[in-house]
Amino acid sequence: DQQVKQNSPSLSVQEGRISILNCDYTNSMFDYFLWYKKYPAEGPTFLISISSIKDKNEDGRFTVFLNKSAKHLSLHIVPSQPGDSAVYFCAASAETRDDKIIFGKGTRLHILP
Amino acid sequence: DAGITQSPRHKVTETGTPVTLRCHQTENHRYMYWYRQDPGHGLRLIHYSYGVKDTDKGEVSDGYSVSRSKTEDFLLTLESATSSQTSVYFCGAGGLSSGANVLTFGAGSRLTVL
Repeated sequence: DQQVKQNSPSLSVQEGRISILNCDYTNSMFDYFLWYKKYPAEGPTFLISISSIKDKNEDGRFTVFLNKSAKHLSLHIVPSQPGDSAVYFCAASAETRDDKIIFGKGTRLHILP
Repeated sequence: DAGITQSPRHKVTETGTPVTLRCHQTENHRYMYWYRQDPGHGLRLIHYSYGVKDTDKGEVSDGYSVSRSKTEDFLLTLESATSSQTSVYFCGAGGLSSGANVLTFGAGSRLTVL
């Protein structure tokens, strides 16, 4: 059973506009959520995280929103830049339960000129 | 990231042969993880370690074993490789920073089983 779901395999956004990537989860025990970015032939790199006790975390152009009642989080990138073209993975962990970190399938973001 | 090194970076092997992938870290992280990345499946957790000689299974552990005899090394072994284990393998290491366990990943090991 997939605990972390990214239902959009790909997304295309015009340069300068807002990119919104979505993630849903099923396990209510998750207490931290993270976003990673991955370029081809490289390992994923950490972008931003959010604790389950918060509903928003912002870092520069990146903001993550968490809606616990809907078990949904989203990553907003404003403004989108060409270098943002990559695969974005949503990940979750339940540190009070075990040390597993579960990833979604990823969303490929294309920033159009 | 220079702190996480995976070896080999590329390997081609035949079905039934044993394969060991190595992950080496220089950051003294407590936690280490092995994932595989496949089209349509994203990153799936194979095994992870929460300390020296402390390991546990992930989502797709069948056919894989791990060992962690010292903090800096986490080995992933395929006792008898199968074609379904053709994949790109990523090692991540991390520790609890401001609550979240943020992982730094290696560049990946591409394994082809013929």
